[in-house]
Amino acid sequence: ETGVTQSPTHLIKTRGQQVTLRCSSQSGHNTVSWYQQALGQGPQFIFQYYREEENGRGNFPPRFSGLQFPNYSSELNVNALELDDSALYLCASSPATGSAGGNEQFFGPGTRLTVL
Amino acid sequence: AQTVTQSQPEMSVQEAETVTLSCTYDTSESDYYLFWYKQPPSRQMILVIRQEAYKQQNATENRFSVNFQKAAKSFSLKISDSQLGDAAMYFCAYRSASTGKLIFGQGTTLQVKP
Repeated sequence: ETGVTQSPTHLIKTRGQQVTLRCSSQSGHNTVSWYQQALGQGPQFIFQYYREEENGRGNFPPRFSGLQFPNYSSELNVNALELDDSALYLCASSPATGSAGGNEQFFGPGTRLTVL
Repeated sequence: AQTVTQSQPEMSVQEAETVTLSCTYDTSESDYYLFWYKQPPSRQMILVIRQEAYKQQNATENRFSVNFQKAAKSFSLKISDSQLGDAAMYFCAYRSASTGKLIFGQGTTLQVKP
């Protein structure tokens, strides 16, 4: 069984650019959540996708957007990058049916984004 | 809004000893889940233990156990017989029963001394 994978591993961008991060969920999982983890901090929830629809969003501006595909893989897009967007971006998948709170979220290794 | 607080930025324990990591949370909900996650340096976040709020019995997973005090909104993690591989950042997290959003604390870095 393949776990959650993310690409790329590392990325360097400049202020104002746009970036797309990718996540492949674990087999059988239909829900994907994205988190931003600043250095030395706990992850912050960005949004969640369930069956290709956004199913909850944290306190992030609209320039953070996402997609989920029919195979349940997902993308996180960030437009107009700012220096504060530098962080580890984590993707987590779960077999949740909708918003079932107790289902475990399985995390990927993350993408380290640096904005210069 | 729910919040999770970990008041110990760093902890250290001698190998084979026991250590307790603290976590408090704030919520007005009655149905929720609590988690402890481990994040080793440059490695993936993995679930250590989970507690359902409606269960009074404290969860245990081998050397890991929790002390869940619902009225006090406290959820501490006890690691017994600490091993070098336990060294990592530990995060306490809250999840409402009605949403998929995990709310994390600031983390506690655990050092295990040989």
